[in-house]
Amino acid sequence: DAGITQSPRHKVTETGTPVTLRCHQTENHRYMYWYRQDPGHGLRLIHYSYGVKDTDKGEVSDGYSVSRSKTEDFLLTLESATSSQTSVYFCAISERRASEKLFFGSGTQLSVL
Amino acid sequence: AQTVTQSQPEMSVQEAETVTLSCTYDTSESDYYLFWYKQPPSRQMILVIRQEAYKQQNATENRFSVNFQKAAKSFSLKISDSQLGDAAMYFCAYRSGGAANAGGTSYGKLTFGQGTILTVHP
Repeated sequence: DAGITQSPRHKVTETGTPVTLRCHQTENHRYMYWYRQDPGHGLRLIHYSYGVKDTDKGEVSDGYSVSRSKTEDFLLTLESATSSQTSVYFCAISERRASEKLFFGSGTQLSVL
Repeated sequence: AQTVTQSQPEMSVQEAETVTLSCTYDTSESDYYLFWYKQPPSRQMILVIRQEAYKQQNATENRFSVNFQKAAKSFSLKISDSQLGDAAMYFCAYRSGGAANAGGTSYGKLTFGQGTILTVHP
């Protein structure tokens, strides 16, 4: 299995509070992604990174920001959490630009009350 | 934008029988990849099988095979000799193949279908 660690694995927070999810990889892969999984929607891309300090938006980026100061870490921040951001969040990595295979982390279950 | 549709929210099969999960997609691109991912209760995303759009031959991985109909934009997954361990959520996914273009932003970005829950009865 690819070395991807997501933390925390579970989190419960209150509306309006900031939340940061962390993805750490030991594979030295260049590309990293944040997806959210919701019933009836499958997985949807939030943000992705194609290098240190190089990031871009996905299809559901509103309310989220990301940072990547090191190759191995990709942070997802909810500046002010809302109940609609209750979801399971997955980090994924890939090695090459043309790589077909994504490796996924185990996910973070986030509940915003 | 590409879309992926899985019209079967749930499917069930008897152990040792065969089941087919449906997936359709919409794209104007000619170069792309299609995937089936399995998500068991552990939440881990596991790649089951992938298909390159330029290949006419259907991909096969042991008991898993696909029926890729490019003109119809259909990509179904057939599971033969179903096992209890096959019970999971299955996702169909699409990836643009235009990664070779300079500054291309399709770096492994996947578009997923809604998922199909597969139950296997003993």
